Amino acid sequence: VQLVESGGGLVQPGGSLRLSCAASGFRFSSYWMHWVRQAPGQGLVWVSRINTDGTKTTYADSVKGRFTISRDNAKNMVYLEMDSLRVDDTAIYYCAGDSGTYFVPENWFRPWGQGTLVTVSS
Amino acid sequence: ETVLTQSPPTLSMSQGETATLSCRASQSVDSDLAWYQQKPYQAPSLLFYDASTRATGVPARFSASGSGTEFTLTISSLQSEDFAIYYCQQYNDWPLTFGGGTKVDIK
Repeated sequence: VQLVESGGGLVQPGGSLRLSCAASGFRFSSYWMHWVRQAPGQGLVWVSRINTDGTKTTYADSVKGRFTISRDNAKNMVYLEMDSLRVDDTAIYYCAGDSGTYFVPENWFRPWGQGTLVTVSS
Repeated sequence: ETVLTQSPPTLSMSQGETATLSCRASQSVDSDLAWYQQKPYQAPSLLFYDASTRATGVPARFSASGSGTEFTLTISSLQSEDFAIYYCQQYNDWPLTFGGGTKVDIK
């Protein structure tokens, strides 16, 4: 069971970045998927989630309208498109699995990826 | 938004001792609470969900209890690998929120 994030890096304020998360070792298409972030030295903050077939998405207010979550079940991938990035979006971004049913997520997280660092700075 | 307050922020313990960590919710979350362990430079890992259901592979020295607004994570006979930061997370209310964490370090 593994999740591997990629796509992080340094970006200027107002810029864009696309994070990817590759899943393996479990039935990816049966899992809701979430993104959770952690600013340097800080706690965990939930960012977004997507249901099993990609038809339903939810966002934290702080990223609504700027971030877009999507998935490709054929490739066992989940993505986070981040636009209009701000300095306070700087964080490690983790993807995490949620083994809820098609209709109802569990909303707790297992497994987790190792994270990818996004730094927003001029 | 449900605010989770974890106490104490830091717990200095010796190996073999019992650690008791608290998580208090600003409003009732029923039993919709999870606990995670995060070791330095690692991702969090799930310890418990539904307040007291141990996740697969979690040692029996870890136990969790509580409901409503008061929750406890207990680590009996601390081992070296247990020194880490512990977070609670509620999923009863929107948005999903985490506590600020309790760091268990070596005395």
